[in-house]
Amino acid sequence: EPEVTQTPSHQVTQMGQEVILRCVPISNHLYFYWYRQILGQKVEFLVSFYNNEISEKSEIFDDQFSVERPDGSNFTLKIRSTKLEDSAMYFCASDLAGGPYEQYFGPGTRLTVT
Amino acid sequence: AQSVAQPEDQVNVAEGNPLTVKCTYSVSGNPYLFWYVQYPNRGLQFLLKYITGDNLVKGSYGFEAEFNKSQTSFHLKKPSALVSDSALYFCAVRDSTGANNLFFGTGTRLTVIP
Repeated sequence: EPEVTQTPSHQVTQMGQEVILRCVPISNHLYFYWYRQILGQKVEFLVSFYNNEISEKSEIFDDQFSVERPDGSNFTLKIRSTKLEDSAMYFCASDLAGGPYEQYFGPGTRLTVT
Repeated sequence: AQSVAQPEDQVNVAEGNPLTVKCTYSVSGNPYLFWYVQYPNRGLQFLLKYITGDNLVKGSYGFEAEFNKSQTSFHLKKPSALVSDSALYFCAVRDSTGANNLFFGTGTRLTVIP
């Protein structure tokens, strides 16, 4: 069964550093998403991406964040200058066409900012 | 605005007994409703969804959920709980007329006692 994959599984970085989180969505899916889950809290939407551009974004997704689909398979989330409060589990998800379709989630990248 | 409430942080049930995990929602238009399960150090796994039609939907691992429009609820149920069902359960909603991102509840930790 196809699945969403994410790398790395765990990233430790110092405050102020740039990080890139990588995802490979399911190959025939058209919508891609990033969510985050701060430890012990609920899953929060960051951004959605469709047809090579941002479709929606939350207020969390400020100028420090960017997304890119650099080739036909990868989908990346970049945080330019990490803050302590960016420490969280970041999940990538994809679905076939938005709307009623269920999103499939990757295993997550745990980002620890020190 | 869209929101999801899971009123119980923790649900304990004896193995073999029926289980219910509660969820209520708020959306502007018609809801698309989803249940996901999260095992320790894992991503979110899709369980089931309600889009339209029959109010009782069946999903993976013997789970089902009942959509109740008048009570704006979408409770997750299983007739006979297994110890392996112990996990964190998230209800999520998407407005059929709005953005494609999911809004998640705060999660309910289900513990099935042998």
